[in-house]
Amino acid sequence: DTEVTQTPKHLVMGMTNKKSLKCEQHMGHRAMYWYKQKAKKPPELMFVYSYEKLSINESVPSRFSPECPNSSLLNLHLHALQPEDSALYLCASSQRTSGVETQYFGPGTRLLVL
Amino acid sequence: KQEVTQIPAALSVPEGENLVLNCSFTDSAIYNLQWFRQDPGKGLTSLLLIQSSQREQTSGRLNASLDKSSGRSTLYIAASQPGDSATYLCAVYSGGSNYKLTFGKGTLLTVNP
Repeated sequence: DTEVTQTPKHLVMGMTNKKSLKCEQHMGHRAMYWYKQKAKKPPELMFVYSYEKLSINESVPSRFSPECPNSSLLNLHLHALQPEDSALYLCASSQRTSGVETQYFGPGTRLLVL
Repeated sequence: KQEVTQIPAALSVPEGENLVLNCSFTDSAIYNLQWFRQDPGKGLTSLLLIQSSQREQTSGRLNASLDKSSGRSTLYIAASQPGDSATYLCAVYSGGSNYKLTFGKGTLLTVNP
């Protein structure tokens, strides 16, 4: 298994809803990431988990809450989002290649906040 | 702060043409450089990874070069095909953190049949 999977593929939610995005990998990678990508922009790093512990939080608003229940699974819990949070949310995992974490991306979840 | 620039922002070519996409970065203290492909609304597919000690990498019709001292990388696509149409992103690992990728804004490539 050489892929990162994400569910759901699409999500529409209201500003008062609570929803979760899920990411899974079975490649034995020990680091996992959440990115946000707006249209025609490059991905922006949100969070990094290393060995199931949060190692980087890029000053993301608290309405986004990451969780790493085990080494294969990464969740992003969403609550009280704003319309400007509508974007493609990408998950990645990484393995160490020549001393550097080389990242592999999932297909993304397209989120629309109404 | 590392900045990555990709030129051109968009490129349209006829099928069969050879083409070059350019990437430049401001801080030459990089670990690796990675080229990705992204189809509309989809995730990122890794194309080539060049380690900081390497000069180039090849995969099929793709060849990526790295000149770390001048802060430049190029992605060469030979004999382009309509299926190559996508956005190509260049990203570097740098900045003192092993986990942080800095992306360019990408080049939107259209290959016309």
